[in-house]
Amino acid sequence: DQQVKQNSPSLSVQEGRISILNCDYTNSMFDYFLWYKKYPAEGPTFLISISSIKDKNEDGRFTVFLNKSAKHLSLHIVPSQPGDSAVYFCAAPYGQNFVFGPGTRLSVLP
Amino acid sequence: DAGVTQSPTHLIKTRGQHVTLRCSPISGHKSVSWYQQVLGQGPQFIFQYYEKEERGRGNFPDRFSARQFPNYSSELNVNALLLGDSALYLCASSLMEGSETQYFGPGTRLLVL
Repeated sequence: DQQVKQNSPSLSVQEGRISILNCDYTNSMFDYFLWYKKYPAEGPTFLISISSIKDKNEDGRFTVFLNKSAKHLSLHIVPSQPGDSAVYFCAAPYGQNFVFGPGTRLSVLP
Repeated sequence: DAGVTQSPTHLIKTRGQHVTLRCSPISGHKSVSWYQQVLGQGPQFIFQYYEKEERGRGNFPDRFSARQFPNYSSELNVNALLLGDSALYLCASSLMEGSETQYFGPGTRLLVL
């Protein structure tokens, strides 16, 4: 039972354009969400988070939007850069655990 | 400031063997969690330790065990290795139990032949 879903395994975007990565969750008890970025041969790196009391959080080129009624969040990267090419994981803390989605591989083409 | 460190970086074992993976958390962090990441999937929770006590355990068999030391470093042990144990094992540290953000190490890539 996948509580955090990322239905797009991969996404390709042209440099300078917007990247939109999507995440859906099923557990209404989740009240905090994080995005992690992972390069090959490295561990996931924390990118940005959002609490369920907000519907938007922005940090530089990265913005996360949360739609609680739809149990959906999205990560917007604008403008996209080749260095953004990585696997992006959506995650939610739950008890002692972090529940991760399967990830979306973003490729930003020069 | 050093981040989370893990050793070894890579490891090759054969079926039935035992493996010990090590993790040092960020200085000041008291909670360590272990995750298994299989190719094409997100990290799956194995254990969380806080103040040397197991605080959470994921859906993994008893062949998996862990411990946390007084300096908050941690070991993950896997006995009777199976081919399916081949994965990237990630350690994450956080300041406290229940912290909302975890910081990951680079992982140990285990290959079981």
